[in-house]
Amino acid sequence: VQLAQSGAEVKKPGASVKVSCWASGYPFTTYTIQWVRQAPGQRLEWMGWINTGNGNTKFSQKFQGRVTFTSDTSASTAYMELSSLRSEDTAVYFCARGRGVGAALFDYWGQGTLVTVSS
Amino acid sequence: DIQMTQSPSSLSASVGDRVTITCQASQDISNDLNWYQQKPGKAPKLLIYDAYNLEAGVTSRFSGSGSGTDFSLTISRLLPEDLATYFCQQYHNLPYTFGQGTKLGIK
Repeated sequence: VQLAQSGAEVKKPGASVKVSCWASGYPFTTYTIQWVRQAPGQRLEWMGWINTGNGNTKFSQKFQGRVTFTSDTSASTAYMELSSLRSEDTAVYFCARGRGVGAALFDYWGQGTLVTVSS
Repeated sequence: DIQMTQSPSSLSASVGDRVTITCQASQDISNDLNWYQQKPGKAPKLLIYDAYNLEAGVTSRFSGSGSGTDFSLTISRLLPEDLATYFCQQYHNLPYTFGQGTKLGIK
């Protein structure tokens, strides 16, 4: 099992960023993809998930209205798009495969994508 | 949101030592708790799930215990490769939340 994420991004405040997460080594639609971020020196922060089987999504209220999760089953790839970026969104963004009840066991992780928001 | 508080925030121990890290939840979370290891510059790795179940492929030097609000992660015999930051995560309620991390150094 591997999750491979897209490369680092530098964005200006107010812009959007889209991070991809390509999954391999297992049937893509049988596991949820979770998204977590880690700002510099901060704890991990859960953003939400996408059920890759039916496309259903769940968001942390903190990101409601600003984040979109999508997936392309033909490409075994999940996407996270965050809009209206501000400096506080500077962080490493991780995708992870979710397993178990509530897909809450994050058993495989991507390598992380650094998103820097700076004017 | 459920707050997760780890202690200590950092510690240094010697190879061969037994090390215990604790995690306290702000409310009862039953045994809905996972532990992760994150080495510098790497993604987290799942060590323990449901408070005490060892993830497949993880060395048995790691063990977890606790329920309700108080949990612990124990490394029975510290090795140099255990240098990392360790996080707990609750999944009893949404949003899933993580502890602030315990940075483990080797003396």
